[in-house]
Amino acid sequence: QQQVKQSPQSLIVQKGGISIINCAYENTAFDYFPWYQQFPGKGPALLIAIRPDVSEKKEGRFTISFNKSAKQFSLHIMDSQPGDSATYFCAASRTGTASKLTFGTGTRLQVTL
Amino acid sequence: DVKVTQSSRYLVKRTGEKVFLECVQDMDHENMFWYRQDPGLGLRLIYFSYDVKMKEKGDIPEGYSVSREKKERFSLILESASTNQTSMYLCASSFLQGGTYEQYFGPGTRLTVT
Repeated sequence: QQQVKQSPQSLIVQKGGISIINCAYENTAFDYFPWYQQFPGKGPALLIAIRPDVSEKKEGRFTISFNKSAKQFSLHIMDSQPGDSATYFCAASRTGTASKLTFGTGTRLQVTL
Repeated sequence: DVKVTQSSRYLVKRTGEKVFLECVQDMDHENMFWYRQDPGLGLRLIYFSYDVKMKEKGDIPEGYSVSREKKERFSLILESASTNQTSMYLCASSFLQGGTYEQYFGPGTRLTVT
């Protein structure tokens, strides 16, 4: 049972463009929503995370938008660069589960010149 | 820097073999995890451990077992490897910091079962 649905599966964006990846969750008990970035041959690494008490969080060119009523959150990459080409995973967890994360299926982003 | 290491980057085993995947973290983290990563399916949790000798099943524990005898080491065991266990296996560790847990991943072990 997929509790976190992620789309699109793959994305091609031109350099300088905006990359947008969307996730939707079902479990209303989730209260922590991180995004992980994975480069080929490496393990995923935390990129940015948000809690439901805020609707947006920005770190540099990366922004998470969160819509609690719709149970959706998204990652926006502004001014996308070739170095951003990677696979991105959204995830969700709830307090008290020792950081057990439920991951989305991943989005392979390619930023072209 | 947190470091999570996995014993092998690539492993080829035969059907029916017993397979051990080892993971070591150097930051005294309480929690450790084993995931498998398959294209189109994302990361799926196999088992996790929140303390030495403690373990809990994840979403896909069938065909796997784990061992955590020391805090820094978490082993994944395939009792009798099958071809459908061919996958990328990722180990992670985490601890509570600033009210949240961040998971730190190892580089992965690509296991092929023939």
